[in-house]
Amino acid sequence: DAGVIQSPRHEVTEMGQEVTLRCKPISGHDYLFWYRQTMMRGLELLIYFNNNVPIDDSGMPEDRFSAKMPNASFSTLKIQPSEPRDSAVYFCASSPTGWANTEAFFGQGTRLTVV
Amino acid sequence: DAKTTQPTSMDCAEGRAANLPCNHSTISGNEYVYWYRQIHSQGPQYIIHGLKNNETNEMASLIITEDRKSSTLILPHATLRDTAVYYCIVRVNNAGNMLTFGGGTRLMVKP
Repeated sequence: DAGVIQSPRHEVTEMGQEVTLRCKPISGHDYLFWYRQTMMRGLELLIYFNNNVPIDDSGMPEDRFSAKMPNASFSTLKIQPSEPRDSAVYFCASSPTGWANTEAFFGQGTRLTVV
Repeated sequence: DAKTTQPTSMDCAEGRAANLPCNHSTISGNEYVYWYRQIHSQGPQYIIHGLKNNETNEMASLIITEDRKSSTLILPHATLRDTAVYYCIVRVNNAGNMLTFGGGTRLMVKP
């Protein structure tokens, strides 16, 4: 398996523009997580899905952020409009059912820079 | 999930054992200890986890004290590629229980 695949790896955009980050989880994994990492706040969980349904989005910072999972093999995290403070590395992770004695697999991340 | 306390940074000589401590004095009986690491510019990577018995795999060993209030991750023969931030996390193994990352320990392996 190729692991969790995120695209793009790097994104530079201007303030006010819409940004869409993409994630393909590992096939067969029921859980998908979106994390954000900054120097100031470290790794923060934004939202997670189970069987394509959003379970907990309490970490989503503002209404400008939205996430979808239209099917088991694809998820998006959208920021509209983007702001400079959204600059961070965004990680997607997936995990098999239940977490019981299993690990989470992380993608390589998308480095977002909003100028 | 219980909180953890780790040193901010540590150094280790290449080829020597790296012993990374973690304090989790408020851990509950059903919480596991997990270790992840993050090498620069990569996503976090699972290392090992345990409940109360010591565990060993191809990457590391995990020693959990009898009272479960602290643990130590041991990299038996550290290499330069082990330079990373190491995160100790305690969590319940329930469905959908996500990982909450703290500050971690920045391990620098030196030649």
